[in-house]
Amino acid sequence: AQSVSQHNHHVILSEAASLELGCNYSYGGTVNLFWYVQYPGQHLQLLLKYFSGDPLVKGIKGFEAEFIKSKFSFNLRKPSVQWSDTAEYFCAVVNQGGKLIFGQGTELSVKP
Amino acid sequence: DAGITQSPRHKVTETGTPVTLRCHQTENHRYMYWYRQDPGHGLRLIHYSYGVKDTDKGEVSDGYSVSRSKTEDFLLTLESATSSQTSVYFCATGASNTEAFFGQGTRLTVV
Repeated sequence: AQSVSQHNHHVILSEAASLELGCNYSYGGTVNLFWYVQYPGQHLQLLLKYFSGDPLVKGIKGFEAEFIKSKFSFNLRKPSVQWSDTAEYFCAVVNQGGKLIFGQGTELSVKP
Repeated sequence: DAGITQSPRHKVTETGTPVTLRCHQTENHRYMYWYRQDPGHGLRLIHYSYGVKDTDKGEVSDGYSVSRSKTEDFLLTLESATSSQTSVYFCATGASNTEAFFGQGTRLTVV
């Protein structure tokens, strides 16, 4: 069965701190991977995506993620967070049949 | 943003009544999805569609049914609403097994 697990439920950081959010997935076939962000009161927006090629992908707002196939992981990183990064972050996986599954989400709070 | 419209945006209904939520897209996307979002559970897939009249179950499909009679519309029906179905429901669409675009959400309260 296809599943996604995010390790951190709530992360609290000060501005300028570095961020890494963990994501692991379970699926035996080929998948595409995503990170989405949801700002308070809004719908989900795409941060970045991985389909193939370079396992280090860069997204919007300075975010990046690294796909490690052997670990079934797709961790999200940002070198220096800002107060405006306060939001909920979701990792997601879609299989070749189009089934798109999300993780439980990680709430990020950045203190000014 | 993709042209995805959810209706209604807010609804309060009584336990035991049927409820239908509508998702309408103008992007001609093949895939459409219904999720529910609850604190601590993230987004959980209810049902999805990979074409007209082609649907499949997600992680939490019990108590829900869907229909897709044309490309642009994907309906989610709660046959007999229960308080446990109080949630925020999101529709999403995608052209293939690539990124999905989300609607604004429907807040459903079952009293």
